[in-house]
Amino acid sequence: NAGVTQTPKFRVLKTGQSMTLLCAQDMNHEYMYWYRQDPGMGLRLIHYSVGEGTTAKGEVPDGYNVSRLKKQNFLLGLESAAPSQTSVYFCASSYEGGQHFGDGTRLSIL
Amino acid sequence: QKEVEQDPGPLSVPEGAIVSLNCTYSNSAFQYFMWYRQYSRKGPELLMYTYSSGNKEDGRFTAQVDKSSKYISLFIRDSQPSDSATYLCAMSAIKAAGNKLTFGGGTRVLVKP
Repeated sequence: NAGVTQTPKFRVLKTGQSMTLLCAQDMNHEYMYWYRQDPGMGLRLIHYSVGEGTTAKGEVPDGYNVSRLKKQNFLLGLESAAPSQTSVYFCASSYEGGQHFGDGTRLSIL
Repeated sequence: QKEVEQDPGPLSVPEGAIVSLNCTYSNSAFQYFMWYRQYSRKGPELLMYTYSSGNKEDGRFTAQVDKSSKYISLFIRDSQPSDSATYLCAMSAIKAAGNKLTFGGGTRVLVKP
């Protein structure tokens, strides 16, 4: 009963490096989301997807790209990491009802 | 002004007490209301999901929605130290694109043995 799985759990990058965060869900949910959570800022939506092959911008999309090639997977990419992208990143999925979250990826950009 | 306001706390209560949490909101289009619990270094966990106004009870948890006042509450009875966490309210409008949620900033709760 995995639910939403995020990999990696921790990562340290240097400014300018690129990486991809992986999210997988086994609940057959149509909708998937990427958030970042920062102290004092709460949860902010980066990008979301309403189905396989679709993506849309959220509240804070700049500096991030996403892809939803398979229904169960949602990838978040940082092409050129910046210190301002140091955060905890959460993936979530839903169909009807509330969203279900993974346990996050802690990302530090030096 | 934020769409959803939530006191950040911390709210400290003795074990066995009732924990009372609330959120106010400004968007009258919100129809779905949720409460999440988030432990340190974990993702938010869905606790309660309600539609429109009224009460919903699940074990020690009771959620109330008063749409006329744009006010929602979560009560935790017989609180335990394991209830120490941050509690987030969230809400969405009917047919919101992608079922997007608007979150409160969270209230940190400490239940002392």
